Amino acid sequence: AQSVAQPEDQVNVAEGNPLTVKCTYSVSGNPYLFWYVQYPNRGLQFLLKYITGDNLVKGSYGFEAEFNKSQTSFHLKKPSALVSDSALYFCAVRDRLYNFNKFYFGSGTKLNVKP
Amino acid sequence: NAGVTQTPKFQVLKTGQSMTLQCAQDMNHEYMSWYRQDPGMGLRLIHYSVGAGITDQGEVPNGYNVSRSTTEDFPLRLLSAAPSQTSVYFCASSYRRDRLKNYGYTFGSGTRLTVV
Repeated sequence: AQSVAQPEDQVNVAEGNPLTVKCTYSVSGNPYLFWYVQYPNRGLQFLLKYITGDNLVKGSYGFEAEFNKSQTSFHLKKPSALVSDSALYFCAVRDRLYNFNKFYFGSGTKLNVKP
Repeated sequence: NAGVTQTPKFQVLKTGQSMTLQCAQDMNHEYMSWYRQDPGMGLRLIHYSVGAGITDQGEVPNGYNVSRSTTEDFPLRLLSAAPSQTSVYFCASSYRRDRLKNYGYTFGSGTRLTVV
């Protein structure tokens, strides 16, 4: 069965330090992978995606993510965190072959960046 | 501005009442979906549509109905509201596979529903 796991409910990091938000997935075949960010009382905003090609993808606000097929992971990273990065982050997978219209979301990770 | 518009933003219902959450998009997206967001559970798919006149169930369809009479609109109906339906509801849309632009969803800003 298709699934997405975000093993950390919350990640705390000091401003200026690097951050990582973890995501692993279980999808048959080669998936499309996404990261979305949600600020309080707002909808989800697209951050970045992996479709094909280079395993390191760059997205909005200085975020990047690395697709690792052998570990079935798609961790979100940023070299230097900002207080304004504090938000709820969702990893999502779209099956390339089956049930293409469905996204599978992780449970979300709350990122807290402290000054 | 182009995007997905959801109304209302907030709603309080009494148990047993019915209501319709509205969703409209102006991007000519074929796919539209409804999700509910609950703490610690991420987003769960309620219903989705691959085009006008075509709908299907997601993970948690019970207690909800949908219809898709036009490409633009995808309303979600609560038939008889229950406290378990207290949640934040998001509508999302995207292009169909063979007209993909960014492969991702565009989300509405959400409807916060409380059933008392």
